Amino acid sequence: EPEVTQTPSHQVTQMGQEVILRCVPISNHLYFYWYRQILGQKVEFLVSFYNNEISEKSEIFDDQFSVERPDGSNFTLKIRSTKLEDSAMYFCATLIQGPYGYTFGSGTRLTVV
Amino acid sequence: KNEVEQSPQNLTAQEGEFITINCSYSVGISALHWLQQHPGGGIVSLFMLSSGKKKHGRLIATINIQEKHSSLHITASHPRDSAVYICAVLISNFGNEKLTFGTGTRLTIIP
Repeated sequence: EPEVTQTPSHQVTQMGQEVILRCVPISNHLYFYWYRQILGQKVEFLVSFYNNEISEKSEIFDDQFSVERPDGSNFTLKIRSTKLEDSAMYFCATLIQGPYGYTFGSGTRLTVV
Repeated sequence: KNEVEQSPQNLTAQEGEFITINCSYSVGISALHWLQQHPGGGIVSLFMLSSGKKKHGRLIATINIQEKHSSLHITASHPRDSAVYICAVLISNFGNEKLTFGTGTRLTIIP
């Protein structure tokens, strides 16, 4: 199965600091997603991104969040001023045709202290 | 109300046992995913299905669209199958698709 690469694998940041989570999706894929999973909870949808635009976002994805694909390769999620409740595992994913559908990145564990 | 319900939440079995994990959903979907999440947190897609049955090695997934129900079966279970298994449904909304997840089933296989 093809890979989606996420960096960093773990980030610890001070409350109020900005963080950028990076994802290198499979080349030529057009649909990108960010999901998050707070410890002990189910995975939640944050945002979908198609053709260099946000196509849908959840209530969680407020003004503190933004997504970009700055160089046509990396796909980033920025949190401008982190809060304690932003601590979670963040997954990048792409959706492709084929038997597996979604391909998930390995995740970034964000810890806000 | 959860749109995706899984059962059981936790399952412990002996090596070699036949495992069944169930998923029910309450909304119209375009497809259903079974995912595997290991202790490190990474998620792997096992199956995507929109009808019938799929098999991959010792894993079998079935879906009944009319009853809004899917099952994941593991034959001849092994300790390395220990993981959280997550059912997620793909919902299409005005051309936008996203996954809605169940809470997962934590499977532990004892040698």
